Amino acid sequence: AQSVTQLGSHVSVSEGALVLLRCNYSSSVPPYLFWYVQYPNQGLQLLLKYTTGATLVKGINGFEAEFKKSETSFHLTKPSAHMSDAAEYFCAVRLKTSYDKVIFGPGTSLSVIP
Amino acid sequence: SQTIHQWPATLVQPVGSPLSLECTVEGTSNPNLYWYRQAAGRGLQLLFYSVGIGQISSEVPQNLSASRPQDRQFILSSKKLLLSDSGFYLCAWMLVQGRGEAFFGQGTRLTVV
Repeated sequence: AQSVTQLGSHVSVSEGALVLLRCNYSSSVPPYLFWYVQYPNQGLQLLLKYTTGATLVKGINGFEAEFKKSETSFHLTKPSAHMSDAAEYFCAVRLKTSYDKVIFGPGTSLSVIP
Repeated sequence: SQTIHQWPATLVQPVGSPLSLECTVEGTSNPNLYWYRQAAGRGLQLLFYSVGIGQISSEVPQNLSASRPQDRQFILSSKKLLLSDSGFYLCAWMLVQGRGEAFFGQGTRLTVV
């Protein structure tokens, strides 16, 4: 069965430090991959996506992610954390079954320490 | 441009009362529509999806139901709420064709007391 895992339910980084949020997926077919961010009591906002082409994708707010097929991974990074990056981050996979659906990982809560 | 509206933003309901949450999409036609629930500190669970008017499929058995009376309207309902129905409910839409992402509403925080 297809699934998405995110290593670490909580990640803390210092302001200015590298942000690395891990995502691995299992899929029998090439997936479409996404990272979303959620601020408290709000909906989900798309950070970036991979569909085809370049495996390193850049998103909003300085985030980027690299699709590694051999590792079935799609880790999210940002070189320098900002206080405003504190939020919940979800990795997601779009699957084509009898209909299109998006499966989400459990999420990683990012804290940024001043 | 496409937008998605979801209301109300917050709702406090007593156990046993009915529920109706509404979601409408603008700027697109024949989208796939989805209801997700997010329990406190947990990920998103897909509850219902719809590929067209009157076509509803449930992902998990539960105390809730969904309806799609119009192409761009999706309603989540319950006849009698349970305490376990508390959570953050998110409506989303996605184009049927293509590789794009799902677009989300701002969510409804439901507290059943």
